[in-house]
Amino acid sequence: KAGVTQTPRYLIKTRGQQVTLSCSPISGHRSVSWYQQTPGQGLQFLFEYFSETQRNKGNFPGRFSGRQFSNSRSEMNVSTLELGDSALYLCASTALAGDTDTQYFGPGTRLTVL
Amino acid sequence: QKEVEQDPGPLSVPEGAIVSLNCTYSNSAFQYFMWYRQYSRKGPELLMYTYSSGNKEDGRFTAQVDKSSKYISLFIRDSQPSDSATYLCAMKGSTGGFKTIFGAGTRLFVKA
Repeated sequence: KAGVTQTPRYLIKTRGQQVTLSCSPISGHRSVSWYQQTPGQGLQFLFEYFSETQRNKGNFPGRFSGRQFSNSRSEMNVSTLELGDSALYLCASTALAGDTDTQYFGPGTRLTVL
Repeated sequence: QKEVEQDPGPLSVPEGAIVSLNCTYSNSAFQYFMWYRQYSRKGPELLMYTYSSGNKEDGRFTAQVDKSSKYISLFIRDSQPSDSATYLCAMKGSTGGFKTIFGAGTRLFVKA
């Protein structure tokens, strides 16, 4: 079974631009979560989608948004990029939403904002 | 104070040593505890998953949870250079809709 895939793997943008990242979960998994990982803050939860609905949201500004499609693929968008948005963005998929099911992570998209 | 505290290290040990990695937490609502391993330029991969106090063993890895002290540990026996990675503790519970909260991660170096 193929793992979680994320595209693109690397991205360089300039301040003020916007960016869209894509995540394809493991086949059959319906929940997708997004995380931001930085050396200073570690792994921070952005949001979780289940069956095309946002189920949970972390403490990030409204510039960060996401959506999930009917095939469970998810996209994350960041508008008006800031230097501090430079990070590894990780997507994780779970078979069922929340509680006991474990998350499987993709390789991440490394975003650099200049 | 962060909900989950984890010493970022780095921790350097000789090959064959027993490694002890630890996290403390403040939220008593956490019910499920995980350890992830993350190699450079890769996403985290799940190593251990437990939901009760006590020990859980899987090969060279043992996860230990002490809910009364709000303290979890991961032990690695007979450590190998291939164990060199960042180890992240993670936990979740009914508070906050089962959002997973991660520790900062501990960088481990196992020297041959």
